[in-house]
Order: sequence, then structure tokens, then C-alpha cells
Amino acid sequence: GENVEQHPSTLSVQEGDSAVIKCTYSDSASNYFPWYKQELGKRPQLIIDIRSNVGEKKDQRIAVTLNKTAKHFSLHITETQPEDSAVYFCAASSGSSNTGKLIFGQGTTLQVKP
Amino acid sequence: DGGITQSPKYLFRKEGQNVTLSCEQNLNHDAMYWYRQDPGQGLRLIYYSQIVNDFQKGDIAEGYSVSREKKESFPLTVTSAQKNPTAFYLCASSILAGGQAFFGQGTRLTVV
Repeated sequence: GENVEQHPSTLSVQEGDSAVIKCTYSDSASNYFPWYKQELGKRPQLIIDIRSNVGEKKDQRIAVTLNKTAKHFSLHITETQPEDSAVYFCAASSGSSNTGKLIFGQGTTLQVKP
Repeated sequence: DGGITQSPKYLFRKEGQNVTLSCEQNLNHDAMYWYRQDPGQGLRLIYYSQIVNDFQKGDIAEGYSVSREKKESFPLTVTSAQKNPTAFYLCASSILAGGQAFFGQGTRLTVV
């Protein structure tokens, strides 16, 4: 079945450094790739997304890149701040048979040290 | 997020009992989803629905049941057949199946 692998599971960086989280997906028909941020005890919130017709998208300190040939996409956070500390999830929308279900990766716990 | 509400926030279940988790949205979204979150395991899909009166199993549907009688509502029943139900349950909705999903605040279920 469809699968999304996310790495690393934990990531610790110094404030001001960059953080990169990578995901790979198995379903070549996937065409929508969102990233969610979940703070402790709260619901996941969308921070950025990308569709398959675009290779890169940027929003201030956050960017996402997509390589459809290799079936992987990455989240880049620059100039990290302590408030960036959270769990980040990638997801891929399975386009098989128009089911449209969102499959999530296992999550990355990001810690930004002041 | 915004117009999607889950209740209750905390729920305790005795062994052998069925319990139902509520999920309501007023966003006029067609698609709704239920995910289970366990520490270190991400969000695993239980059931999803693209339209009223229709739903499909996700990766971990065993021991769960759902209904979609109204567009706004997608309740999840955790049956006694679910052997390890203690988890954080998240409901989500999107305009179209597979699109941007908005999450409820979650229900933490504990077996006592």
C-alpha cells in the first residue's frame, strides 16, 4: 500500500541554524504534499504545501522542495527560532483511484536550542 | 481548526465497552478523516469518507466503525474488538478528498 517515510525522527539544532527534514513516498500518483507542525498537546497545523507541478515553494523562513522522479520532498527551515520547536509531519495525497486520502510520515521532533 | 470540533477532549473506557468519539465540522467540507496518533508513530489513518453515506477503511480500521449520515458529522466508534485503544484520536476534514486538511483538537482515549 501507500507509504511515506520521514527522516530524521529527532533533530536538534542551535538557534539560527537551518533544519532539513526529508520524506519519501511510494505512490507515484501522489500529487499533493503538505507539511504540518504540531506543538505539544495541540492539533497539527498546516505550515506549507506543494503540488506536483511545482518543484519548490517558499514562505518566509520555510521552504519545501519536491523531486517527483526520485519521489522525495523536503522541508527547509532557515534561521531557526525556539518557537520552531515542535513535531513536524509530512504527508502525501494518494491519487490512486481518486481515493484522495492523506498518508502521513512518522514525524520529526525538532528541538531548537537557544 | 476553526470549524471542526471534536468531543469529548478526554474519554475513559472500561474494558469491553464501546465508546463513540464525536467530530463535527461547519466548513462545508466533503471529505472527513479519522487518524490515530501514538507516540513516535505519526498519524495512522483509521477511516475516511469522501461523501455522505460512503466511507473507506484506512490502514488500521480493525476494531473501529464509522458512519457518515450527514455531511457535517463523522463519528468514530471504538469497539471492544480494538485491543489497544488507548491513544490520541484526531479528526480532520478537507474541501476535496486528498486536499488541505484541517484538524480538530483531538480526543485522548484511555482504557481503565
